[in-house]
Amino acid sequence: EAGVVQSPRYKIIEKKQPVAFWCNPISGHNTLYWYLQNLGQGPELLIRYENEEAVDDSQLPKDRFSAERLKGVDSTLKIQPAELGDSAVYLCASSLSGAASTDTQYFGPGTRLTVL
Amino acid sequence: DAKTTQPTSMDCAEGRAANLPCNHSTISGNEYVYWYRQIHSQGPQYIIHGLKNNETNEMASLIITEDRKSSTLILPHATLRDTAVYYCIVRVANSGNTPLVFGKGTRLSVIA
Repeated sequence: EAGVVQSPRYKIIEKKQPVAFWCNPISGHNTLYWYLQNLGQGPELLIRYENEEAVDDSQLPKDRFSAERLKGVDSTLKIQPAELGDSAVYLCASSLSGAASTDTQYFGPGTRLTVL
Repeated sequence: DAKTTQPTSMDCAEGRAANLPCNHSTISGNEYVYWYRQIHSQGPQYIIHGLKNNETNEMASLIITEDRKSSTLILPHATLRDTAVYYCIVRVANSGNTPLVFGKGTRLSVIA
């Protein structure tokens, strides 16, 4: 079974340019997360989806970041315009829906963004 | 969620047991202890979790003190592929799909 797929793996852009990241979660996983990981730090949540609904986007900088999960499967995270401080790894994760506290989150390999 | 404290880095000789400590002195009775690890250029990977009792799976063992204020992740025979950042996370039970709150973790270097 395929894991969480993300593309591209690496992206280099100039500041003020737009950029988009794509994530395909594990089949059957209704919950999808986008995390941001700065160098030397642990991942931090940007947004969480339950099916196609964004249920936690309090940490998403809405002035420049947007996300969508139109059919409740794949998701896209966009930055427009990108700033130097956005250079980081963007991780996507998925898990089964449910109230079980033991639901495991499965992470993709991430997209490493460099803004010049 | 309760915060955790971990050493910044540790070394371990290949083939020996790696014991990674974690302090979570403010943990509540309904909070689990989770461990994830992140190998270079990969996303975090689930290792193990526990509430009160010690746990063991094919990857590691988790020892939780009786007062639950600290725990130790044990990799019984560390290999070079175990070199990674290890995160100890405390998470409320029955929290469904709430996000994981990561600290900085412990960078484990397994040395040949």
